[in-house]
Amino acid sequence: DTGVSQDPRHKITKRGQNVTFRCDPISEHNRLYWYRQTLGQGPEFLTYFQNEAQLEKSRLLSDRFSAERPKGSFSTLEIQRTEQGDSAMYLCASTLGPSTDTQYFGPGTRLTVL
Amino acid sequence: QKEVEQDPGPLSVPEGAIVSLNCTYSNSAFQYFMWYRQYSRKGPELLMYTYSSGNKEDGRFTAQVDKSSKYISLFIRDSQPSDSATYLCVRYGETSGSRLTFGEGTQLTVNP
Repeated sequence: DTGVSQDPRHKITKRGQNVTFRCDPISEHNRLYWYRQTLGQGPEFLTYFQNEAQLEKSRLLSDRFSAERPKGSFSTLEIQRTEQGDSAMYLCASTLGPSTDTQYFGPGTRLTVL
Repeated sequence: QKEVEQDPGPLSVPEGAIVSLNCTYSNSAFQYFMWYRQYSRKGPELLMYTYSSGNKEDGRFTAQVDKSSKYISLFIRDSQPSDSATYLCVRYGETSGSRLTFGEGTQLTVNP
């Protein structure tokens, strides 16, 4: 257990529905990252936060995706109007600061879109 | 061209074997690399990190970067069944928000 938790661990939804995932990072960690991992592939960067500020978004993050980190603590990732191509493992990672290289990953949320 | 490319395997070896896992990277300016290990149904965990060229050793694990050929290797000595996992080579983006860029991962099985 790395200290990063994600909820839910599994989510099955129908195409067109909205889903929201939550990540709770290690408490003193300022940076929080979201990655997406499809079967047989390595994780791909989606977005990251420094405290409550979202500093960068990948072009993988379409308009249907939105992420927040209110008060610089937990973060949520919402996908609107889900598509079958959104089926993946969504991973959250946190790190103490920009000069600290170890990112601690949570167990992930596995999304299946039917 | 992908920043980091890795042979996905799968790789199956007997217990006690020496394992060699390899990656190539696209840009000679890249300096920081990592190896993450991911067990089934878990998030990745950092195994080792290396800077530029050279070797780094940690117990049974040795990470090697060859800057001239843009080649990254991870060697596992005396492999154990508990080493069975997916190994991900990673470029650490020190100038791009500290984001991690992962290879595809190599699935390793160590058979008792």
